[in-house]
Amino acid sequence: DTGVSQDPRHKITKRGQNVTFRCDPISEHNRLYWYRQTLGQGPEFLTYFQNEAQLEKSRLLSDRFSAERPKGSFSTLEIQRTEQGDSAMYLCASSLTRDQETQYFGPGTRLLVL
Amino acid sequence: DAKTTQPPSMDCAEGRAANLPCNHSTISGNEYVYWYRQIHSQGPQYIIHGLKNNETNEMASLIITEDRKSSTLILPHATLRDTAVYYCIVRALITQGGSEKLVFGKGTKLTVNP
Repeated sequence: DTGVSQDPRHKITKRGQNVTFRCDPISEHNRLYWYRQTLGQGPEFLTYFQNEAQLEKSRLLSDRFSAERPKGSFSTLEIQRTEQGDSAMYLCASSLTRDQETQYFGPGTRLLVL
Repeated sequence: DAKTTQPPSMDCAEGRAANLPCNHSTISGNEYVYWYRQIHSQGPQYIIHGLKNNETNEMASLIITEDRKSSTLILPHATLRDTAVYYCIVRALITQGGSEKLVFGKGTKLTVNP
């Protein structure tokens, strides 16, 4: 499968714990995006990378959230001291500049904070 | 905020064409119209996009009005597997001063009935 992959697909954690999600973009895609989706809403942008550089962060991304893309390939999204309000689907997408920047999404990681 | 307006829900009979409207009356000259869909508990799936001309691919057709203020996504022969939330998004390319983020509204919940 050459699409965007995300791991884990599901995560249940207790409030206050730290969690980390991984996203592997489509090979050679230089842009990588993170979105968050809560029940009944469309996805909301969190942050994006061009290669290894994080170029924009949404106001939704509090200081408990950190994202990295150390070698310009896979990315991780960490949430520290999770809160119940962090429960959501976390989606990753990637795009290639040459391809009119169409974003292709992964299956998402569903987080439940108890 | 999303720059598009879509009906919250639509129904379609299996085998019939599904025509999903989208209003984007404030669209700028350099903004494309993108369509994604999201089947329950999955990541959004790219369908099609266009600027001015009508577009067709293996999944759907996109009809954009001449004044570009509205568009229609056509699924020519809907199947049960087309039941999903369909999102219409307008966005300019980053290379043309657009934003890197997709702004999703609530979309249209399409139900294909047997």
